Amino acid sequence: DIVMTQSPDSLAVSLGERATINCKSSQSVLYSSNNKNYLAWYQQKPGQAPKLLIYWASTRESGVPDRFSGSGSGTDFTLTISSLQAEDAAIYYCQQYYTTPPYTFGQGTKLEIK
Amino acid sequence: EVHLVDSGGDLVPPGESLRLSCAASGFTFSSYAMSWVRQAPGGGLEWVSAISGSGDNTYYADSVKGRFTISRDNTKKTLYLQMSSLRAEDTAVYYCAKDARLGPSSYFDSWGQGSLVAVSS
Repeated sequence: DIVMTQSPDSLAVSLGERATINCKSSQSVLYSSNNKNYLAWYQQKPGQAPKLLIYWASTRESGVPDRFSGSGSGTDFTLTISSLQAEDAAIYYCQQYYTTPPYTFGQGTKLEIK
Repeated sequence: EVHLVDSGGDLVPPGESLRLSCAASGFTFSSYAMSWVRQAPGGGLEWVSAISGSGDNTYYADSVKGRFTISRDNTKKTLYLQMSSLRAEDTAVYYCAKDARLGPSSYFDSWGQGSLVAVSS
């Protein structure tokens, strides 16, 4: 199975500042035939189900604020929140869907407001 | 609007069985693969099982293979997870999740609200 490793496990960022979360896969999730990275990002707030933010590593889901962006290719990916808002405090997960199941998630990164 | 409603969670003793359900609405249910994803208390997300839109293909995490069975009733627009030989480590909130894409290999664009399964004597 592909192992997804996020860093850091937690971080605290001031309002209006940039937050960066990293995700590394144990093997490439770039599918050569269509040049797409099979990598998604989710946001989960306490007591709620996860919410899709980003797919294909960099495509923002409809309705997601443009301060959220995804980048990277192959095995190394980044979720960036350009100007942190109070409502962005949450746990963020990356997920690979390169393999027909099993799908795997990163362990999560807890983002707090400093 | 897509709507997924999880139900069936309960407190059960180790070794017992339980069936979860996920009622779907707002999309052509039979066209999309569905998954179950669980989250242990204070833990991260763990994919558990998936089933194709037709129900012909099923997939399981090694941790539940042979104990859990995923199924669906496309006429009732409902997804199921039959769990047997439950263990303490199966304690978690179980979410159903809808594939965003047709065909294999997808991320999840809609999630149920979750159903709590607690395995304890």
